[in-house]
Amino acid sequence: SQKIEQNSEALNIQEGKTATLTCNYTNYSPAYLQWYRQDPGRGPVFLLLIRENEKEKRKERLKVTFDTTLKQSLFHITASQPADSATYLCALDSVRGSTLGRLYFGRGTQLTVWP
Amino acid sequence: EAQVTQNPRYLITVTGKKLTVTCSQNMNHEYMSWYRQDPGLGLRQIYYSMNVEVTDKGDVPEGYKVSRKEKRNFPLILESPSPNQTSLYFCASSWAGEAFFGQGTRLTVV
Repeated sequence: SQKIEQNSEALNIQEGKTATLTCNYTNYSPAYLQWYRQDPGRGPVFLLLIRENEKEKRKERLKVTFDTTLKQSLFHITASQPADSATYLCALDSVRGSTLGRLYFGRGTQLTVWP
Repeated sequence: EAQVTQNPRYLITVTGKKLTVTCSQNMNHEYMSWYRQDPGLGLRQIYYSMNVEVTDKGDVPEGYKVSRKEKRNFPLILESPSPNQTSLYFCASSWAGEAFFGQGTRLTVV
């Protein structure tokens, strides 16, 4: 069965630095990959989606890469701020080519940005 | 405002007492789903629906029921709740892969 791993449960960095989170998957060929942010006790919020034919996507201070050969996505937050502290979830679709498909989530990485 | 609304936000109930958690979305999305989130296990899909009257099991469907009689509503039903169903539940609706989540329902079964 498919397996999704996010590099670590927790990541602590200093304000202003770049945070890099990793999502690895096995036994899987997703058509697209997504990243979500989740604050304690709240629902995940969509951040970025990257398709299998895209190498990189950016949105403001966020950047996502997708390497289907390595089966890995990297999620970067540049110039990090304490307000970026949250849990970040990686999610992959289950149906190739579908716009609706089921999502499988990693367990998340809890990011803490300290002043 | 585009949103997914779940009710109630918090619920404490006793073993065996049937309950329903409601979910409604105002974005006209065809795809809706229910997840539960437990510490160390992450988000796991319970049921999903690709359209009205079309539902299917996710990864952890045991002990749950759903119905999709209208496009906007997708209630989650626990016919006989048990303590192992104590969890944080999320409803979501999706379009083009992007999922919109509700605020969550924290359920405690004693």
